[in-house]
Amino acid sequence: DSGVTQTPKHLITATGQRVTLRCSPRSGDLSVYWYQQSLDQGLQFLIHYYNGEERAKGNILERFSAQQFPDLHSELNLSSLELGDSALYFCASSTFEVPVDGNTIYFGEGSWLTVV
Amino acid sequence: AQTVTQSQPEMSVQEAETVTLSCTYDTSESNYYLFWYKQPPSRQMILVIRQEAYKQQNATENRFSVNFQKAAKSFSLKISDSQLGDTAMYFCAAGGVGGANSKLTFGKGITLSVRP
Repeated sequence: DSGVTQTPKHLITATGQRVTLRCSPRSGDLSVYWYQQSLDQGLQFLIHYYNGEERAKGNILERFSAQQFPDLHSELNLSSLELGDSALYFCASSTFEVPVDGNTIYFGEGSWLTVV
Repeated sequence: AQTVTQSQPEMSVQEAETVTLSCTYDTSESNYYLFWYKQPPSRQMILVIRQEAYKQQNATENRFSVNFQKAAKSFSLKISDSQLGDTAMYFCAAGGVGGANSKLTFGKGITLSVRP
């Protein structure tokens, strides 16, 4: 158990719908990362938050948005869903902003999203 | 920007033997970190080993060790005394220490099968 909690674990929804994925980082971790893992694209970085502020953005679609709340949990919102959005969405957390010595990035178990 | 390349899509090894997984990377950062993550069939992402680029000594963690060749930008993972539980997908990743490079960039992964 990495200490990173993601909900829901599985989600099936229809095209055009909107879903929210939730992540609770490890206790004390200030950084939260979101990654998308699909069969053909591997692990794609979406976005990084540190202590409530956006730090880096990857190839995140405009239909997707995220935020980190004052209690440090994070939500990834996916809207106008398409079949191609079906993937495993990982949240990861770490103590510091950058992977300096001793700062390991721990992954949650992921949220499986299936768009039908 | 960082790129990570894993050119071997899959490998197979006999139980108790040694196997080496290859990875090359490219980065404009002068200080960076390299990682190997394991993803078993459960899809959980598990950190196997990390290497700080400023350290010349190769990292080791029990049966896992790396061969870090900084000039060649190569970072291979050696698994000794392979066990059935090592069957998984292995991802190589690189992380910078600032700004947009603070996240981890992953390779496409290699599927390792350990045969009994």
